[in-house]
Amino acid sequence: SAVISQKPSRDICQRGTSLTIQCQVDSQVTMMFWYRQQPGQSLTLIATANQGSEATYESGFVIDKFPISRPNLTFSTLTVSNMSPEDSSIYLCSVDKNTEAFFGQGTRLTVV
Amino acid sequence: KQEVTQIPAALSVPEGENLVLNCSFTDSAIYNLQWFRQDPGKGLTSLLLIQSSQREQTSGRLNASLDKSSGRSTLYIAASQPGDSATYLCAVKFGSNMLTFGGGTRLMVKP
Repeated sequence: SAVISQKPSRDICQRGTSLTIQCQVDSQVTMMFWYRQQPGQSLTLIATANQGSEATYESGFVIDKFPISRPNLTFSTLTVSNMSPEDSSIYLCSVDKNTEAFFGQGTRLTVV
Repeated sequence: KQEVTQIPAALSVPEGENLVLNCSFTDSAIYNLQWFRQDPGKGLTSLLLIQSSQREQTSGRLNASLDKSSGRSTLYIAASQPGDSATYLCAVKFGSNMLTFGGGTRLMVKP
């Protein structure tokens, strides 16, 4: 299995500001995934982060809005930039271990 | 387009009842299927993983089945308890590393 520590667990932010979410895994993994879960909705993949290369973004998500870092094989950050109330969601990081997906505890973001 | 659908969207049952949650997917060429539990405002906890070559997996009171030919999976919960109240998510890996999620079933077990 994999243990993922994600922080902060929640935050309330002013519109126009940025928030960086951190994700730490207890073992080395090739890919890390970032998801968004809007209120009352299921999960949508934002991007896939590989160490040493630029993240791959899904349709509807752009690097300027959601820059991602992946400095090593156990850590990644997702920044939500220039936030608006529509960015209020739960953001989750995920990894695969032996084909099974594991998730962090999530970051509950509220933009006011 | 590969899609995952879960029904019902919400379910309320009395404690002790056995129940079945349904998940359907549009493409039978799947790599694996995973059931998760999510408590309000929290992350996802993996419950059961079924590989493409398997037909079912069991863990305690939970049993998940997979029928690729019909594009269906079920999650069976025996002797439900109030602590089982949560949202249950079905996710399918369609041959890539990317998971496609269903909309979830919100379960409430009443004491």
